[in-house]
Amino acid sequence: KAGVTQTPRYLIKTRGQQVTLSCSPISGHRSVSWYQQTPGQGLQFLFEYFSETQRNKGNFPGRFSGRQFSNSRSEMNVSTLELGDSALYLCASSPSKNPGLAAYEQYFGPGTRLTVT
Amino acid sequence: GENVEQHPSTLSVQEGDSAVIKCTYSDSASNYFPWYKQELGKRPQLIIDIRSNVGEKKDQRIAVTLNKTAKHFSLHITETQPEDSAVYFCAASMRSGANNLFFGTGTRLTVIP
Repeated sequence: KAGVTQTPRYLIKTRGQQVTLSCSPISGHRSVSWYQQTPGQGLQFLFEYFSETQRNKGNFPGRFSGRQFSNSRSEMNVSTLELGDSALYLCASSPSKNPGLAAYEQYFGPGTRLTVT
Repeated sequence: GENVEQHPSTLSVQEGDSAVIKCTYSDSASNYFPWYKQELGKRPQLIIDIRSNVGEKKDQRIAVTLNKTAKHFSLHITETQPEDSAVYFCAASMRSGANNLFFGTGTRLTVIP
């Protein structure tokens, strides 16, 4: 099976702009999670989508939002960009079921490196 | 929420020696503990995982142990090779059915040839 793909791979934006990142999960996986990776804060959970519904959410401001489509592809949007939003944004695909009785393994995409200037 | 601590932050070993990375977690409800390897400029790669109903799991040169009572788990790499050099992250999933992983801060492992 093809792995998790993310587009674009690199992005440069200016403060105040908004950005949309895309993630295509492994075929058959219905769960997509998003993480932010920075040198200072490490890997932090943003949110998870399952069957087009947000199932879990991390501690990020409302400027960070996402959605999932019927084909399980997911997008993440960040509005009013700040310098501190510069990071590697990773999505992870999981064969998680609903309702889940156990956590499932997650497979990461290559990430989108966002630079805010 | 869950808090995962990881030690050491850096680790250097001679090729052929063993490497051990330790993590502790705070929430006794956590039941899934994966380990990821991230090489420079690449995605985190799942290398091994363990669930709370198992105390130890091994896959070739890699093993993970879990002590639920003490709330800590460890990654053991034997017969290290230069290609094992990378940053390793431990993680914990707080509850069943949840796919939000809480990550440790990472260990940079360097294997010296």
